[in-house]
Amino acid sequence: EPEVTQTPSHQVTQMGQEVILRCVPISNHLYFYWYRQILGQKVEFLVSFYNNEISEKSEIFDDQFSVERPDGSNFTLKIRSTKLEDSAMYFCASSVGQGRGSEQYFGPGTRLTVT
Amino acid sequence: AQSVAQPEDQVNVAEGNPLTVKCTYSVSGNPYLFWYVQYPNRGLQFLLKYITGDNLVKGSYGFEAEFNKSQTSFHLKKPSALVSDSALYFCAVRDIRYEPFTFGIGTKLQVIP
Repeated sequence: EPEVTQTPSHQVTQMGQEVILRCVPISNHLYFYWYRQILGQKVEFLVSFYNNEISEKSEIFDDQFSVERPDGSNFTLKIRSTKLEDSAMYFCASSVGQGRGSEQYFGPGTRLTVT
Repeated sequence: AQSVAQPEDQVNVAEGNPLTVKCTYSVSGNPYLFWYVQYPNRGLQFLLKYITGDNLVKGSYGFEAEFNKSQTSFHLKKPSALVSDSALYFCAVRDIRYEPFTFGIGTKLQVIP
């Protein structure tokens, strides 16, 4: 069964450094998402991406964040200058469609630790 | 705005007993409701969804969920729990078209042998 994959599984970085989290969505999916979960809190939506542009983003997704689909398979989340509060589990997801009934398929997550 | 509440951080149940993981929601329109499960070191896996129609929805691994509009609930159930069902369960809701999922905080299910 096809799966969303994410690398690395764990990233440790110092405050102020740039990080890039990588995701390979399921190959025939067209819609891509990033979510995050701070320890002990809810899974929160960050951004959705379709047709090489952002379709929706949350208040969390400020100028420090950017997303890119650099080739036909990868989908990346970049945090330009990390803060301590960016420490969280980051999940990538993809779906075939964007209708309300479309389920999203999630990767295993990247745990980002900012020190 | 939409929101989801999972009132129990953890649910313990003996193997073979029925299990229920609770979820209540709040939306302005008609809800689309989902359950996901997360096993250790794995991504969230889709279990089942309610879109419209029959209030009892059947999903993967023998799980089912009952949509109750009057109580704004979508509780996850299974008639006979397995030790392998032990995992983290997330309820999610979507309201307005194209609006992203809103997830609950998750409920840890522990099935005791």
